Amino acid sequence: SAVISQKPSRDICQRGTSLTIQCQVDSQVTMMFWYRQQPGQSLTLIATANQGSEATYESGFVIDKFPISRPNLTFSTLTVSNMSPEDSSIYLCSVEPYTSSGLANYGYTFGSGTRLTVV
Amino acid sequence: GENVEQHPSTLSVQEGDSAVIKCTYSDSASNYFPWYKQELGKRPQLIIDIRSNVGEKKDQRIAVTLNKTAKHFSLHITETQPEDSAVYFCAARKENDYKLSFGAGTTVTVRA
Repeated sequence: SAVISQKPSRDICQRGTSLTIQCQVDSQVTMMFWYRQQPGQSLTLIATANQGSEATYESGFVIDKFPISRPNLTFSTLTVSNMSPEDSSIYLCSVEPYTSSGLANYGYTFGSGTRLTVV
Repeated sequence: GENVEQHPSTLSVQEGDSAVIKCTYSDSASNYFPWYKQELGKRPQLIIDIRSNVGEKKDQRIAVTLNKTAKHFSLHITETQPEDSAVYFCAARKENDYKLSFGAGTTVTVRA
């Protein structure tokens, strides 16, 4: 399965500022996903990032608040903009592996997460 | 989107006993069902998955069963050990979609 390096691992930010989270994958992947996980809660999908196209956002999440970049098949960033304390959460990236024979439909893996605290 | 319900929300078992977690899904087009284990402060880790053309899959002490007719799937952990204590998430993915829909999670505590 793919190995994902996510950074930063944690940060404490002032309200009104922005934080950019990076995910680097050790192999080419077609789909990258960004999740938010509130303490003690399940994973909520923010958006799906496909290389070469605009990210697709889930209901309740907008591009102005969570802009995403996907410049190539191994890298993506999520920015949390104009932060408020309600944005305090763990943010995780995830990938679905891509193989030369087509999309693999198993083995979604996760980055180690970014624990964000907004004060 | 797909709706996945997971039960129970918490489960406490004696070491050596079995643990069973059940998930139901709403869309009959779902065809891939992974289970993740998340230890405190760690990332979710895939522990086992099953596709809709299979009814059961085992990996040592872990097994997953799928009932497509009833639209539910279950995780079975036998001979539980303290290191099995974690939060477990089920998920489902629809055919021709790439997104996983997650259940709410089950906190499993194995009592020594």
